[in-house]
Amino acid sequence: GAVVSQHPSWVICKSGTSVKIECRSLDFQATTMFWYRQFPKQSLMLMATSNEGSKATYEQGVEKDKFLINHASLTLSTLTVTSAHPEDSSFYICSARVTEYEQYFGPGTRLTVT
Amino acid sequence: GQNIDQPTEMTATEGAIVQINCTYQTSGFNGLFWYQQHAGEAPTFLSYNVLDGLEEKGRFSSFLSRSKGYSYLLLKELQMKDSASYLCAVMDSNYQLIWGAGTKLIIKP
Repeated sequence: GAVVSQHPSWVICKSGTSVKIECRSLDFQATTMFWYRQFPKQSLMLMATSNEGSKATYEQGVEKDKFLINHASLTLSTLTVTSAHPEDSSFYICSARVTEYEQYFGPGTRLTVT
Repeated sequence: GQNIDQPTEMTATEGAIVQINCTYQTSGFNGLFWYQQHAGEAPTFLSYNVLDGLEEKGRFSSFLSRSKGYSYLLLKELQMKDSASYLCAVMDSNYQLIWGAGTKLIIKP
């Protein structure tokens, strides 16, 4: 089956620093990947849609200059949280679209900003 | 606006049956998904319904009524490992998933 990995699985950083999270499709090519954020006891919130070779499409209310997304290849998308603050602490999950109806999720990255 | 409603929390007994309901109002419809999510982990796919009716897959079944904007996930022979959150998601006309808030299922011995 389709496998999606994320790295790192957890990260702790200091306020003001930047953190990069990688999302890879291991055994298939994904022209579209999605980035989600999930706060405790809440559902997934789509942050942006990442398309290979083009700019990401951000959801309303998500700051594109703060959450930089790069989808440079068909197997890798990265999310960089710039100038992180404690309120950015969350569970970040990526998914990769296999078909219009199928997407596979990565294991998630737990970000804690101190 | 787009809206998906499901109960916040449910409790059931090991070995029993539980039904988790989901109602939705979305811009277009390209199918409804159920995902299971254990605490601290990413969601895993359970089922996909695009036509009305019941889809059975082992201990789990999912039902859809498009005219009523309604779905349910039925879990039989509950096991302790089924304790998790169950997320209902609808794919809208733009092929984007709209997520419900999830139902936390607690299984008691």
